[in-house]
Amino acid sequence: NAGVTQTPKFQVLKTGQSMTLQCAQDMNHNSMYWYRQDPGMGLRLIYYSASEGTTDKGEVPNGYNVSRLNKREFSLRLESAAPSQTSVYFCASSEIAGASDTQYFGPGTRLTVL
Amino acid sequence: KNEVEQSPQNLTAQEGEFITINCSYSVGISALHWLQQHPGGGIVSLFMLSSGKKKHGRLIATINIQEKHSSLHITASHPRDSAVYICAVATSGSRLTFGEGTQLTVNP
Repeated sequence: NAGVTQTPKFQVLKTGQSMTLQCAQDMNHNSMYWYRQDPGMGLRLIYYSASEGTTDKGEVPNGYNVSRLNKREFSLRLESAAPSQTSVYFCASSEIAGASDTQYFGPGTRLTVL
Repeated sequence: KNEVEQSPQNLTAQEGEFITINCSYSVGISALHWLQQHPGGGIVSLFMLSSGKKKHGRLIATINIQEKHSSLHITASHPRDSAVYICAVATSGSRLTFGEGTQLTVNP
């Protein structure tokens, strides 16, 4: 099993460009999450999907959109990238919804917006 | 004040030492997680606990719900334990609130 995979691993964008970060899990998990990690701050939840067909905003959703394409895949889209979105992005999944279940993390995507 | 505070922020130890990392939180929680972030960036869940104590190999995690405090202990530390250790609390719904992490360096 690959667990949680993310593409790309690295990306450099110019301000105003758009891109989609891809995430897939092969553990048949119901819930998936997108986080960002910035220096001096803890991981922060951007969006989550408690189950296929549902998505909800997290702590820092502005400037992002998500799509739960199917049970395996959860994508994060930046429509018009800004330098403030320079960060490391992690996707995670868990078997059941709710923060009282173990979350499995992808390897991360390092995004730089110039 | 952050909802989750970890101490120390940085910790350097000699191989073989007993290590303690602390986590304090200020809100009611349903569970507390300890995670490890490797130097390469990958994040792995170590423990999830809502009461008492859990042990896995040389790692021990404890939680005191009344005092809103948890500790992660590493016995007989080794250079491969060098990583960032992150505490996270489950508050409402599907949301985890994370601490900033403790950078641990174990020297041979």
